[in-house]
Amino acid sequence: NAGVTQTPKFQVLKTGQSMTLQCAQDMNHNSMYWYRQDPGMGLRLIYYSASEGTTDKGEVPNGYNVSRLNKREFSLRLESAAPSQTSVYFCASRPRLRQSDTQYFGPGTRLTVL
Amino acid sequence: AQSVAQPEDQVNVAEGNPLTVKCTYSVSGNPYLFWYVQYPNRGLQFLLKYITGDNLVKGSYGFEAEFNKSQTSFHLKKPSALVSDSALYFCAVRDIRGADGLTFGKGTHLIIQP
Repeated sequence: NAGVTQTPKFQVLKTGQSMTLQCAQDMNHNSMYWYRQDPGMGLRLIYYSASEGTTDKGEVPNGYNVSRLNKREFSLRLESAAPSQTSVYFCASRPRLRQSDTQYFGPGTRLTVL
Repeated sequence: AQSVAQPEDQVNVAEGNPLTVKCTYSVSGNPYLFWYVQYPNRGLQFLLKYITGDNLVKGSYGFEAEFNKSQTSFHLKKPSALVSDSALYFCAVRDIRGADGLTFGKGTHLIIQP
């Protein structure tokens, strides 16, 4: 199993450009998550999808949209990138069989917005 | 609202000595608590979690953590540190009746000196 995969690994955008970050998991997990990691701030939840067909806002959703394309894939879109969105983005998934299930993380996408 | 505090930005330990990385939390109900480790330019790897029951939880790579409800703490420990333990460590919490997603601390850099 590849686990959680993310593409691209690195991306540089200019202010105002758009892009989509891709995430896929092959563990048959029900729930998927997008976090951003900023220095000295830990990880913060942007959006999550409890199950296929549903999405919900997390702590910092402004400036982002998500799509749960199917059970495997959960994408994050920046419609008009801003320098404040420079960050490392992590996708995660969990089975959602129990409340205590562990989340498993992908390798991350490092995004720079100039 | 739930929160996690990791009071030390950095912990320095000599190889072979015991190590402790501190974490305190705040939730309105009962917590699920997690420790993750991040190596440079990598995603987060799960170390261990507390769900219920025994207050001492054992995890990967010889790490353990002690849950203390009265002090709302979940400190990460290892009896004998290795240079390869040097990494960024995150504590995370989820209220068992709260919204989905994890709330992370800011992270603690653990540096093991040969």
